[in-house]
Amino acid sequence: GNSVTQMEGPVTLSEEAFLTINCTYTATGYPSLFWYVQYPGEGLQLLLKATKADDKGSNKGFEATYRKETTSFHLEKGSVQVSDSAVYFCARGSNDYKLSFGAGTTVTVRA
Amino acid sequence: DAGVIQSPRHEVTEMGQEVTLRCKPISGHNSLFWYRQTMMRGLELLIYFNNNVPIDDSGMPEDRFSAKMPNASFSTLKIQPSEPRDSAVYFCATSLRGMNTEAFFGQGTRLTVV
Repeated sequence: GNSVTQMEGPVTLSEEAFLTINCTYTATGYPSLFWYVQYPGEGLQLLLKATKADDKGSNKGFEATYRKETTSFHLEKGSVQVSDSAVYFCARGSNDYKLSFGAGTTVTVRA
Repeated sequence: DAGVIQSPRHEVTEMGQEVTLRCKPISGHNSLFWYRQTMMRGLELLIYFNNNVPIDDSGMPEDRFSAKMPNASFSTLKIQPSEPRDSAVYFCATSLRGMNTEAFFGQGTRLTVV
């Protein structure tokens, strides 16, 4: 089965609302974890990453903490903007250097 | 660096025709990945190369799909013959080989087979 499971969307929020997107993974060992963002008509770009347990990745107001005890890497932002409307992908590294992606969560922020 | 460069950005072709998608990786990156994205199946890894050698092609859907990487600065994904169900956005991504390094994606090629 899929080694990365993320919250299904779509998610619709008002500007300045709190956003959280859940992500859990399965793995042996401690892989690196990533969040990617895809804006309309573009490729995926790295949003943040964490390489070991208890690391917190952060960028553009987004944060995610590597929790090995719950095998989770939930994405959060305290106050979203319209410009945060995008598809968000959780991903996990592996021993064979491939990335495993979640299904993606579409987020729409309304003004 | 200009990033990962894919061409063309859009391709519309008739069923049965051959389609070739191109990718120029970031200079110095030694791993290259081809992905396909559709609404139904999400993001699928088709094949990946390391140092120009195909490492895992288990994601290639059928024999109609083939990929090559003749040198470190160029890769192609070919579909012959194309079918309407191949319509998707195809992404190329590259990275420096290593578990902790992220992949950098191109802008993608939107393929429509009519």
